[in-house]
Amino acid sequence: DAGVIQSPRHEVTEMGQEVTLRCKPISGHNSLFWYRQTMMRGLELLIYFNNNVPIDDSGMPEDRFSAKMPNASFSTLKIQPSEPRDSAVYFCASRAAGGRGTEAFFGQGTRLTVV
Amino acid sequence: GEDVEQSLFLSVREGDSSVINCTYTDSSSTYLYWYKQEPGAGLQLLTYIFSNMDMKQDQRLTVLLNKKDKHLSLRIADTQTGDSAIYFCAETSGGSYIPTFGRGTSLIVHP
Repeated sequence: DAGVIQSPRHEVTEMGQEVTLRCKPISGHNSLFWYRQTMMRGLELLIYFNNNVPIDDSGMPEDRFSAKMPNASFSTLKIQPSEPRDSAVYFCASRAAGGRGTEAFFGQGTRLTVV
Repeated sequence: GEDVEQSLFLSVREGDSSVINCTYTDSSSTYLYWYKQEPGAGLQLLTYIFSNMDMKQDQRLTVLLNKKDKHLSLRIADTQTGDSAIYFCAETSGGSYIPTFGRGTSLIVHP
C-alpha cells in the first residue's frame, strides 16, 4: 500500500482564494483525521471522520473551513476564502478499525502558504 | 494548560542517551504514543504503551510511564545523528480514541 496520499504537497495562493486539500486514506481504514501544524500551536486536530461521517469537527477554526468525505477513499479540506493566518502544514491521517491502540498513519502533508 | 505538554528542544551528543519527557492531563488516557517527524515528512509511530504498563522496551527505545504523575518518557540509547527529528507524545482516551498530540520536542544530535 502506498500509504496516506495527500495532494498537493505545496500550495501557494493569494489571500481570498479558495483552497482545496485532498487526501486518500489507506484502503480499509475507517477513521480519518485532518490536523494542522504550526510553530505557534503545534499539531491541532481539525476534524475526525469515522466511516465517512464527521464525528468531531470542534477543531475547525471557523466557517471558512469545511471538510467532506464522500466515500471511504477520499476526503477534502476546503478553505474559502483563505487568509494569511491559514498558512500551515495540513496533515491527513487514517486508522484501521479497532481504534484504541491502533496506529494512525500520516500523509506527507500539504504545506499551504497564503500571501 | 495544554492537554499534552513537552519541552520544545533537546540537544545531545552523538552516542549519549536522550530522554524526552511528556506530561498529560487526562487520567482516563488509555494509550500513549511516541511519534517521530523527520523534516518535510509526516509523523511515523515509533512505539506506544498501554496505560496498565510501566515500561516498554524496543531495541534502542525505552518508554517509561508513571500513571500516578501522568508522566511519559522516551529514552533513546546510543543516540545517532539520524535520530535528529521532532518527537511527539500523544494520548488517546474516550470512546473515539482521537489522538491528542503535544507540540513536539526537537531533538538535535551533534557530533
